[in-house]
Amino acid sequence: GENVEQHPSTLSVQEGDSAVIKCTYSDSASNYFPWYKQELGKGPQLIIDIRSNVGEKKDQRIAVTLNKTAKHFSLHITETQPEDSAVYFCAASISIKAAGNKLTFGGGTRVLVKP
Amino acid sequence: DGGITQSPKYLFRKEGQNVTLSCEQNLNHDAMYWYRQDPGQGLRLIYYSQIVNDFQKGDIAEGYSVSREKKESFPLTVTSAQKNPTAFYLCASRGKRSYEQYFGPGTRLTVT
Repeated sequence: GENVEQHPSTLSVQEGDSAVIKCTYSDSASNYFPWYKQELGKGPQLIIDIRSNVGEKKDQRIAVTLNKTAKHFSLHITETQPEDSAVYFCAASISIKAAGNKLTFGGGTRVLVKP
Repeated sequence: DGGITQSPKYLFRKEGQNVTLSCEQNLNHDAMYWYRQDPGQGLRLIYYSQIVNDFQKGDIAEGYSVSREKKESFPLTVTSAQKNPTAFYLCASRGKRSYEQYFGPGTRLTVT
């Protein structure tokens, strides 16, 4: 089955700096890669996603890049703010009905933005 | 107000007791999922259902059971056979023609 590795496990940045989180996946059939933000005691919230037919996607201060050949994808947060402090999860999915559109998650990155 | 609700937020049980966690959605989503999250770790899939009256095991189904009698509801029962039931349980749903899974607020289960 799919295996997703996420690095680093913790990341501390100064407010205004950029943060980068990297994930690798094992199944070349995976075609959907979402990123979730989870605040303490809450459910994860989808912040951005990318499909395998796209190499990069941007939404304001957040961007995701995908390298299908190397089987890795990354989350980039620019101009970090204290409210960006949270745990971020990457995930991968083979998004077809027969596979159940199941998500396999990375282990998470705890991001701390210091004012 | 559309979304996914999970109740209760906190649940305490004694070892050996079965307990059922509720998940309801009013998003008209066909697919629903249950995940387990342990401290400092990622989410692991327990069960999922793509349609009413049908469900499949995920990666860690042992000691759990589910039902999907209504489109809106996907309750999870944690049985006494689950060896380490204390965890944060998250329910998610997905629309028929959508890739995105949306999560509920979670239920923290503590078994002593």
